Amino acid sequence: GENVEQHPSTLSVQEGDSAVIKCTYSDSASNYFPWYKQELGKRPQLIIDIRSNVGEKKDQRIAVTLNKTAKHFSLHITETQPEDSAVYFCAASRGGGSEKLVFGKGTKLTVNP
Amino acid sequence: DAGVTQSPTHLIKTRGQHVTLRCSPISGHKSVSWYQQVLGQGPQFIFQYYEKEERGRGNFPDRFSARQFPNYSSELNVNALLLGDSALYLCASSPSTGQFFGPGTRLTVL
Repeated sequence: GENVEQHPSTLSVQEGDSAVIKCTYSDSASNYFPWYKQELGKRPQLIIDIRSNVGEKKDQRIAVTLNKTAKHFSLHITETQPEDSAVYFCAASRGGGSEKLVFGKGTKLTVNP
Repeated sequence: DAGVTQSPTHLIKTRGQHVTLRCSPISGHKSVSWYQQVLGQGPQFIFQYYEKEERGRGNFPDRFSARQFPNYSSELNVNALLLGDSALYLCASSPSTGQFFGPGTRLTVL
């Protein structure tokens, strides 16, 4: 069945450093890849997404890259700040995001001041 | 600009009982999906509804059911509750692409 693997499960960085989270997906028909940030006790918040016709997308300190051939996509956060500390989830979907999301297990990011 | 709303916020039930969770999507969004998030895991897809029709169903037992109303709000029903049903139940609404989550309902089954 469809599966999304996410690594690492935990990541600790110093403030100002970069953080990278990687995901792989199994369903070749997936064409939409969002990233969510979930702070403790709060809802998952969509922070960036990418579609399969694009290789890279950037929004200020956040960027996502996609390698369709290898079925890999990654989240890059530059100049990390303590408020970036949260659990980050990658997901994959068919239908350009109109169908169900299959999530990874999450990465707990801690940014140390 | 109201986001996705869910009720109740928290719920405590005992084994064997049933529960109804409610969701109101963002205005104009016609698709609603339900996810179960167990502590320490990513959300797992339960159902998706679009224009009151079931569009998808995840790998959950028949104890789980849902429906969508003409105003696009939705209910998730779970019968014969088990301890393992304890989780955060998230509703997400979508205009066409991209899904936006509500705050969730924290269900505890004792």
